[in-house]
Amino acid sequence: QKEVEQNSGPLSVPEGAIASLNCTYSDRGSQSFFWYRQYSGKSPELIMSIYSNGDKEDGRFTAQLNKASQYVSLLIRDSQPSDSATYLCAVPGGSYIPTFGRGTSLIVHP
Amino acid sequence: EAGVAQSPRYKIIEKRQSVAFWCNPISGHATLYWYQQILGQGPKLLIQFQNNGVVDDSQLPKDRFSAERLKGVDSTLKIQPAKLEDSAVYLCASSVTGTAVYGYTFGSGTRLTVV
Repeated sequence: QKEVEQNSGPLSVPEGAIASLNCTYSDRGSQSFFWYRQYSGKSPELIMSIYSNGDKEDGRFTAQLNKASQYVSLLIRDSQPSDSATYLCAVPGGSYIPTFGRGTSLIVHP
Repeated sequence: EAGVAQSPRYKIIEKRQSVAFWCNPISGHATLYWYQQILGQGPKLLIQFQNNGVVDDSQLPKDRFSAERLKGVDSTLKIQPAKLEDSAVYLCASSVTGTAVYGYTFGSGTRLTVV
């Protein structure tokens, strides 16, 4: 069974700090990886996708992928209180249907 | 472009009653997904449609859940009879391709409470 593991948190960081969110997955055949942000009471919103080893940067967000170690991470630089949300890691397996982790709750305090 | 539309936003029913949710995907999106998200958990796929055909329904509790996508556009998800453990948010999502390799867009969801 394909598994996607995330620490549920909460991860608490001060405003302006770097928040680091991690995700491990079990399906070695996975080729694409996604991070979704979900505010309380709202639906998930796609914020980052990554397909190859290394880093991908988009504004304050950086996704990092290491297929050999089967982990993907999301770094949020200069964290803002508006970044407080649950971050879901999604990994499509061979069927390309994403399996979601349970999400990590991030709290950015002023 | 308009997003994925879902209704109703909230629903409260008693156990053993039936309920139906509706979803209208983004125009031109061939693939439609229904997810169940229980509080504190990630979304779990219930069923995937490609046009009006079912691609994957392996996690759909078929004794009580049913779904259809008539004419390959709108979709309805039904629960009959509902159980307390069905309390969750039901999310609909759509994507252009069947592989969702570019991720997909979720609707606002329907929050179901079974009492």
